[in-house]
Amino acid sequence: QVQLVESGGGLVKPGGSLRLSCAASGFTFSDYYMSWIRQAPGKGLEWVSYISSSGSTIYYADSVKGRFTISRDNAKNSLYLQMNSLRAEDTAVYYCARQQLVPGWFDPWGQGTLVTVSS
Amino acid sequence: QSALTQPASVSGSPGQSITISCTGTSSDVGGYNYVSWYQQHPGKAPKLMIYDVSNRPSGVSNRFSGSKSGNTASLTISGLQAEDEADYYCSSYTSSSLYVFGTGTKVTVL
Repeated sequence: QVQLVESGGGLVKPGGSLRLSCAASGFTFSDYYMSWIRQAPGKGLEWVSYISSSGSTIYYADSVKGRFTISRDNAKNSLYLQMNSLRAEDTAVYYCARQQLVPGWFDPWGQGTLVTVSS
Repeated sequence: QSALTQPASVSGSPGQSITISCTGTSSDVGGYNYVSWYQQHPGKAPKLMIYDVSNRPSGVSNRFSGSKSGNTASLTISGLQAEDEADYYCSSYTSSSLYVFGTGTKVTVL
């Protein structure tokens, strides 16, 4: 079955860096756009970034542009999010999601990985 | 990009119908038929319920339906059941080629 599993979350100090990974299985990863979406504790969902199937098209939310970098390795069926210059407001559960078409919808989602930015 | 506006909470009794609104602008909801809705139970990942305004994925109950008028999209849950108690979020594609989510609505089954 289609499965997305995130990893790499943890506690990091403000200004620090972290790299999230999302392992995909059960579908042809290289055929799909992928997105990162986050949710601060007790708050709503916020779209972060998406990447095209080939990696040639990338978009970011204004809140992370210049600090976060999305990438993918189709040979490894993996999606990544490199997060630099982290701030307290980046504290959230980060979900990866398969993007059905562009424009499109997000389905399915992974279980999420928690990133906590605190000194 | 500002979040789409949803009511903070909506409630209903079992068997009743409720409607959740999602208000944006002509640059997102009003400009495209690319509105989707997600259900999220506590501690769980969101689940797709509606895509492209009114389409229901395979496996989602036909008690869930979506529509749009102008800059406002709506999700209707008919025959409300206890298992429908959850948070619901809308999402829309935008003119900037980005995505925006709604503020979220907590549905309570009385």
